[in-house]
Amino acid sequence: AQSVAQPEDQVNVAEGNPLTVKCTYSVSGNPYLFWYVQYPNRGLQFLLKYITGDNLVKGSYGFEAEFNKSQTSFHLKKPSALVSDSALYFCATGGSARQLTFGSGTQLTVLP
Amino acid sequence: DGGITQSPKYLFRKEGQNVTLSCEQNLNHDAMYWYRQDPGQGLRLIYYSQIVNDFQKGDIAEGYSVSREKKESFPLTVTSAQKNPTAFYLCASSMAQNTGELFFGEGSRLTVL
Repeated sequence: AQSVAQPEDQVNVAEGNPLTVKCTYSVSGNPYLFWYVQYPNRGLQFLLKYITGDNLVKGSYGFEAEFNKSQTSFHLKKPSALVSDSALYFCATGGSARQLTFGSGTQLTVLP
Repeated sequence: DGGITQSPKYLFRKEGQNVTLSCEQNLNHDAMYWYRQDPGQGLRLIYYSQIVNDFQKGDIAEGYSVSREKKESFPLTVTSAQKNPTAFYLCASSMAQNTGELFFGEGSRLTVL
């Protein structure tokens, strides 16, 4: 069975500082990994995905994620956080859209 | 603009009543999905459809029903058999054979009184 874990329910960071939202995965075979963002009372928006290739994946809104096979991690990062980045972030894994398994989410708060 | 439209955004229901949530997309996507979101949990798949007139149960289909009579539309009915229906419901779509990039609607929040 595939799964992802987001070990932090809440992450707080000051505006302008780098941010990291953590995700670890457990899958058999090659992992397909995704990050989504959800603003309050809205649907999810796709940020980025790792299928194969470079371990550093760049996505929307200046976000990037680093795939680390030895640590089975796929952490989301941004060099300089904005207050508008405050949202709920979900990590997901799955070989196709209908097989996606989502993590429980991490609430990111960027403090002005 | 292309996208997914869910309605209503907020809905209140009395126990024992069925309710239908609408989902319409103009992205020309073949596949559509319904998820349920509860606080502190990830999204859970209720039903999905990869083609018109065909749909499959997801992980938590009990107490729900769907139809897919048109490519653009994938309504979800929450029946009285669903024991804990209060939740945020999200509709999504994707291109066929997609590797996990979903497009989501704005969601419908159902509250059972």
